[in-house]
Amino acid sequence: SYELTQPPSVSVSPGQTASITCSGDILGHKYAFWYQQKPGQSPVVVIYLDSKRPSGIPERFSGSNSGNTATLTISGTQAMDEADYYCQAWDRSTDVVFGGGTKLTVL
Amino acid sequence: EVQLVQSGPEVKKPGESLKISCRGSGYSFTTYWIGWVRQMPGKGLEWMGLIYPGDSHTMYSPSFQGQVTISADKSINTAYLQWSSLKASDTAMYFCAKLSSGSYSSTAYFDHWGQGTLVTVSS
Repeated sequence: SYELTQPPSVSVSPGQTASITCSGDILGHKYAFWYQQKPGQSPVVVIYLDSKRPSGIPERFSGSNSGNTATLTISGTQAMDEADYYCQAWDRSTDVVFGGGTKLTVL
Repeated sequence: EVQLVQSGPEVKKPGESLKISCRGSGYSFTTYWIGWVRQMPGKGLEWMGLIYPGDSHTMYSPSFQGQVTISADKSINTAYLQWSSLKASDTAMYFCAKLSSGSYSSTAYFDHWGQGTLVTVSS
């Protein structure tokens, strides 16, 4: 079955750039999506189709996808960005796949 | 405004059956896939399956095939997730979510989510 691997945690100082990776076999040949989930809340999509931002998502969120790795980048990270982030892709064998999630800490 | 409203929290005993619901509004319910996602306590998101309410065509994750049943009643814009015999390991938050596209496609993503239904299974 297809798997997406994320680091369990990433730390960043306020105002700095946070990068969260998502690795999977030839992930760059698929589309990657990213969801943000704050404690006690439902997930919200922050990036779709590798690098597109839904309306209402701040410009500091960006995405890229190449080779085996998709990356979510948060520029000028703010305290409000502290959350769990999940990547997601589609695969022929398992359809929808989520990564294990990354806890972003802003300290 | 698109909304997905899920049924309330449930506390059940092992072996009991359960059906939780997700009512959609603010969009054409029959023309977009609805998915179910499990989140066990302190853990990540797991895709369980998808249903197309227009014809009730259903796709299951291999991990959940045979463990749950996904259905829909398009007359009342509601999707369901049900268990015939709950286990303690079914304790989790369950989210429904709408796909962004009416097509079952690798370009689709979950653009709207329900508030979640907490299911607790304990003797």
